[in-house]
This record gives sequence, C-alpha cells and structure tokens, in this order.
Amino acid sequence: DARVTQTPRHKVTEMGQEVTMRCQPILGHNTVFWYRQTMMQGLELLAYFRNRAPLDDSGMPKDRFSAEMPDATLATLKIQPSEPRDSAVYFCASGLALSGGRNQPQHFGDGTRLSIL
Amino acid sequence: EDQVTQSPEALRLQEGESSSLNCSYTVSGLRGLFWYRQDPGKGPEFLFTLYSAGEEKEKERLKATLTKKESFLHITAPKPEDSATYLCAVQGFEAAGNKLTFGGGTRVLVKP
Repeated sequence: DARVTQTPRHKVTEMGQEVTMRCQPILGHNTVFWYRQTMMQGLELLAYFRNRAPLDDSGMPKDRFSAEMPDATLATLKIQPSEPRDSAVYFCASGLALSGGRNQPQHFGDGTRLSIL
Repeated sequence: EDQVTQSPEALRLQEGESSSLNCSYTVSGLRGLFWYRQDPGKGPEFLFTLYSAGEEKEKERLKATLTKKESFLHITAPKPEDSATYLCAVQGFEAAGNKLTFGGGTRVLVKP
C-alpha cells in the first residue's frame, strides 16, 4: 500500500532553533495538508496545498511557521524560531481532489513528534 | 463554518459488548463524512466515507451510518484490537480542495 512518509519521526531541540519537517505525499495525489495534534486542541489544520500551490495557511502563526512544496514529491514545514508551545505531533496528509466529483479521502503519515525544550 | 462534535469523549467496553459512537455535524452542504481510526503513535487511518443520508458502510465489526445531522459508528462484539481513538471529519461543498474539519475523537478501550 502507498503511504505518506514523514521525517524525522521524532525531534527534540532547544527553544530558538530552526525545525524542518518533511513529507513525501502519495504519488498521484494533488493535495497536501499539514496538521498539528495536541491533547488540548486535537487535530488543527495548519496549511494545505493543491497542485503544489498554497491554498490556505491561515492556521499557521505566520511570523514563525512556513510551508512549501518545492516539488510534487516533497512538502516541508519549518518553524523558526521554535518555542516550547510548538511542542506537538505534526502530521502530513495527502489526497486526491477531483473537480466536480467525489473527493478521495486524505491519507496520513505517522507524524513528527516535536519537543521544544 | 463547518463544525463536528463527537461523543462520548471516552468509552470503556468489555470484549463483546457492542456500542455506538456519535458524530454530530453542521456544514453548509455535505460533500462527504469521513471516519478514521488512530492508534497511539500513529497517524489517522482511513476507515469509511459516507456521502448522503441513509448511506451505510461496513468493515469487519464496524458499521457507519449517516443522517442529515449526524453519523454513528457502531462497533459490534468488539475485541481488544478495536481499542483506538476514532475520529470523524466532514467536508463541505464550500471547502477548498478537500479540506476536512475534524471532531475531537472518541477514545475506545476494549477490555478482554
């Protein structure tokens, strides 16, 4: 089965450091999503792309977070500078959005568990 | 704005004790309702998509149903391996791409 791949799986770093998380979406999918999951807030949508173009990043703190898709096989989420409140599990998901038709479900990676000390 | 509320937050079952999880939603126009299962340390795993009221989907001990205001996930004769968090999400017609709005999930623990 095709899977979304995320790296690293775990990251521990000190406050103020830059953090980069990577995602390889499922081949053929045209939408990519970044989520953050915490016990308090559940799954929050941070940003998403369609055909590599950013559609909405209103869920991200713009001053420190940035999301890009340099090519169809790679999506990145960067935090600079990182803060302790950014500690969470970050998930990437990909899906196939169809114009005028039924969209296919999103498929998730296993996440990056981020701890900012 | 699309909204999803799941209940109960947590559910403890004995093996074989059937039960149902609820997902109530408000959406401008439902394009699809999705059920996911999440195990600890893993990403959500897709289970079902429901598109219109009256539709039902089944997979092993799980059955999902849909009305115009809510969806139920029925677990029949659960086993310990059914222990997980179950997430419900909706996609409205006004959502760009295939953006989903998730509920808070129901944590299910099945004891042997």
